[in-house]
Amino acid sequence: KQEVTQIPAALSVPEGENLVLNCSFTDSAIYNLQWFRQDPGKGLTSLLLIQSSQREQTSGRLNASLDKSSGRSTLYIAASQPGDSATYLCAVHSGGGADGLTFGKGTHLIIQP
Amino acid sequence: NAGVTQTPKFQVLKTGQSMTLQCAQDMNHEYMSWYRQDPGMGLRLIHYSVGAGITDQGEVPNGYNVSRSTTEDFPLRLLSAAPSQTSVYFCASMTSGGIYEQYFGPGTRLTVT
Repeated sequence: KQEVTQIPAALSVPEGENLVLNCSFTDSAIYNLQWFRQDPGKGLTSLLLIQSSQREQTSGRLNASLDKSSGRSTLYIAASQPGDSATYLCAVHSGGGADGLTFGKGTHLIIQP
Repeated sequence: NAGVTQTPKFQVLKTGQSMTLQCAQDMNHEYMSWYRQDPGMGLRLIHYSVGAGITDQGEVPNGYNVSRSTTEDFPLRLLSAAPSQTSVYFCASMTSGGIYEQYFGPGTRLTVT
């Protein structure tokens, strides 16, 4: 059974810092990995999707990497801003359908102004 | 595109009452899912559907029913509400064809007293 772990569970950094959020998974046979952002009381917003054949994806100040063989992904946030404060969730798609997604429990990020 | 929509946003039920959480998507996705999110437990799959007329159970299906009569709609029914069903419920739809990118609705916060 796929297990997804996100470290750290919480992180507080001053504005402007570059930071890395980590996601690890136990079964390397995956279709893709998706990073989400969740603001308090809101739904999940997709940030980046990395297919199993890709090594990284970039969107603005965000860069996600995938090392399938070691079961790891990182989300790099450059020049952090207070508006980046949210919970970041990693989800791994292992199966071939709607039941194949396994979520980590998230990293709660606070960017101090 | 409205994406994935859910109603209601908030609901309070008494133990034993029944209700239906509505979910609709306008992206013509075949795959749809229902999750519940609880503190410390992460997101857990309740039921999912791979197309109109086809549904299946996820990790925590007890106490819930679903049906899928159209591609657009995927309602979740609570048969006899229990305090253990107090949670935030998210509906999601997913692209198919090997990409499997998931899109979430804004959620329904349900309290059962």
